Amino acid sequence: EVQVVESGGGLVQPGGSLRLSCAASGFTFSEYYMDWVRQAPGKGLEWVGRSRNKVNSHTTEYAASLKGRFTISRDDSRNSVDLQINSLESEDTAVYFCSRGYCNTKDCINFYGMDVWGPGTTVTVSS
Amino acid sequence: AIQMTQSPSSLSASVGDRVTITCRASQGIRNELAWYQQKPGRAPNLLIYSASTLQSGVPSRFSGSGSGTDFTLTISSLQPEDFATYYCLQDYNYPLTFGQGTKVEFK
Repeated sequence: EVQVVESGGGLVQPGGSLRLSCAASGFTFSEYYMDWVRQAPGKGLEWVGRSRNKVNSHTTEYAASLKGRFTISRDDSRNSVDLQINSLESEDTAVYFCSRGYCNTKDCINFYGMDVWGPGTTVTVSS
Repeated sequence: AIQMTQSPSSLSASVGDRVTITCRASQGIRNELAWYQQKPGRAPNLLIYSASTLQSGVPSRFSGSGSGTDFTLTISSLQPEDFATYYCLQDYNYPLTFGQGTKVEFK
């Protein structure tokens, strides 16, 4: 079965750090882009960042407002992608989703959408 | 960053109604837009990508159209399981940006 499952969420004090993980199974992980998306309580979806596939050297992109505090890394040998969050703020309280996406060319002219999502992991930043 | 503006932000409809949701980009994004459905407490679900391509397994009552700056998601005959929030997402350039969402409620 094709799936991704997030873990690592929890209650963290402001200023703390957290590492979220996303474990993938049922597909050739190295071929896929992996995205992190978050949703604050009662709010809409916010794209956090992306790790490109192996062909694109696992390069990363981030939402501008988050750059510097958020770092995405992946390990194709473990079929996993992590999201490191530093200097946590109350505004980072959200459900964090991991998703996969596919491009049929190296330059990703056509992106086939984020077609598999995990159930999410909840991060609460509070003292 | 490209701004994605959805309208309406919410709507009330009945089973069997035709529903249309629009998404406008602040600059041209070719056809690089996807639509997602999200139900409370659940992860989003991909409906449409490349503006008009129906994702495998998604019912044919869902359709998407548009190119450039103006896009539309249409549900031809609303079903009980379609009451949810819908989001557009541009993947033309970084940072990727979502619309603010459209909540489809029961009239």
